Amino acid sequence: GENVEQHPSTLSVQEGDSAVIKCTYSDSASNYFPWYKQELGKRPQLIIDIRSNVGEKKDQRIAVTLNKTAKHFSLHITETQPEDSAVYFCAASITGGGNKLTFGTGTQLKVEL
Amino acid sequence: NAGVTQTPKFRILKIGQSMTLQCAQDMNHNYMYWYRQDPGMGLKLIYYSVGAGITDKGEVPNGYNVSRSTTEDFPLRLELAAPSQTSVYFCASTEVENEKLFFGSGTQLSVL
Repeated sequence: GENVEQHPSTLSVQEGDSAVIKCTYSDSASNYFPWYKQELGKRPQLIIDIRSNVGEKKDQRIAVTLNKTAKHFSLHITETQPEDSAVYFCAASITGGGNKLTFGTGTQLKVEL
Repeated sequence: NAGVTQTPKFRILKIGQSMTLQCAQDMNHNYMYWYRQDPGMGLKLIYYSVGAGITDKGEVPNGYNVSRSTTEDFPLRLELAAPSQTSVYFCASTEVENEKLFFGSGTQLSVL
């Protein structure tokens, strides 16, 4: 089955700096890659996703890049703010597989003042 | 719309007890999922359903059972609870494949 690895497990940045979280996946058939943000004690919420037919997608301060050849995708957050502090999860799935997402182990992002 | 509703929010079980975690969605979503989240880990899929009457195992199904008699409800049954089942359980749903998952608020379960 699919295996998703995520790095780093913790990331501390100064407010205003950029943060980058990286994930690799094992199944070359995977074609959908979402990112979820989970604040402490809350439910995960989708922040951005990308499909395998595009290489990059942006939404205000967040962007995701995908390298299908390397089976690698990354989340980029620019101009970080304290409210960006949370755990971020990457995931991967295959169309036709029932939307069974395989999640990474998460990155605890801390934005310091 | 209430979205995805899970009950209870917290529960403590003794080893060997059984219980059912309830999940209901009012968005007419076909796809529903049960995930467990252990501390410091990602979410692992327990069971999923692509429509009423259809269920299938995920990555970690042992010790659990599900049913999907209606589109709205997807209960998760724990038989003979074990300490290894201590976790936070999330139910989720989506309308179509490869789209946003709507999560419930979670159930924190401790088995002692």
